[in-house]
Amino acid sequence: GESVGLHLPTLSVQEGDNSIINCAYSNSASDYFIWYKQESGKGPQFIIDIRSNMDKRQGQRVTVLLNKTVKHLSLQIAATQPGDSAVYFCAEPWSSGQNFVFGPGTRLSVLP
Amino acid sequence: GAVVSQHPSWVICKSGTSVKIECRSLDFQATTMFWYRQFPKQSLMLMATSNEGSKATYEQGVEKDKFLINHASLTLSTLTVTSAHPEDSSFYICSANGGLARSQETQYFGPGTRLLVL
Repeated sequence: GESVGLHLPTLSVQEGDNSIINCAYSNSASDYFIWYKQESGKGPQFIIDIRSNMDKRQGQRVTVLLNKTVKHLSLQIAATQPGDSAVYFCAEPWSSGQNFVFGPGTRLSVLP
Repeated sequence: GAVVSQHPSWVICKSGTSVKIECRSLDFQATTMFWYRQFPKQSLMLMATSNEGSKATYEQGVEKDKFLINHASLTLSTLTVTSAHPEDSSFYICSANGGLARSQETQYFGPGTRLLVL
């Protein structure tokens, strides 16, 4: 069935380095993707989104890349800071368009 | 930005009692709200979709008589866990689709409610 998954369940990076979090999706018809950040004990927070007519979208210190050929999505965080430590989820809409399928999440740990 | 609030943020109750959790969209109207449950170190699991003025749509395996959802207005949805048991202890999160002034596809999440049933 349709699913969204992540390659790495955990990721540790040094403060100041760049982080790359990956996500694979299986529904080639998906045309919209979102990255969420969830800190411990809090609800998910919208980070950035991208539509399938784009390959790349940049935000503040974050960049999302979309490779439709291999159905792969990535989130790049530049100059990772301690405040970036969280679980990151990618999400894609179900065929109904009303809700999302969430990946299992990647925990990002920023080392001092 | 779009703000979604939940109340309470923390609740501890005795087994057998009912607990009501409120989800509000503070600065936009949401025709659709979603309720999720999240167990430790796991992803979000959709429980039900709540549409204003109509019955909620429950996901497979979610008991609608146990998890009562009411979407009374465009800014408020409530989840009532009836006759709660320890296995219902979890982190409950709601989300709302952005209103007409925002992308309707983007979901905005509340801060979550942690439920502990003793």
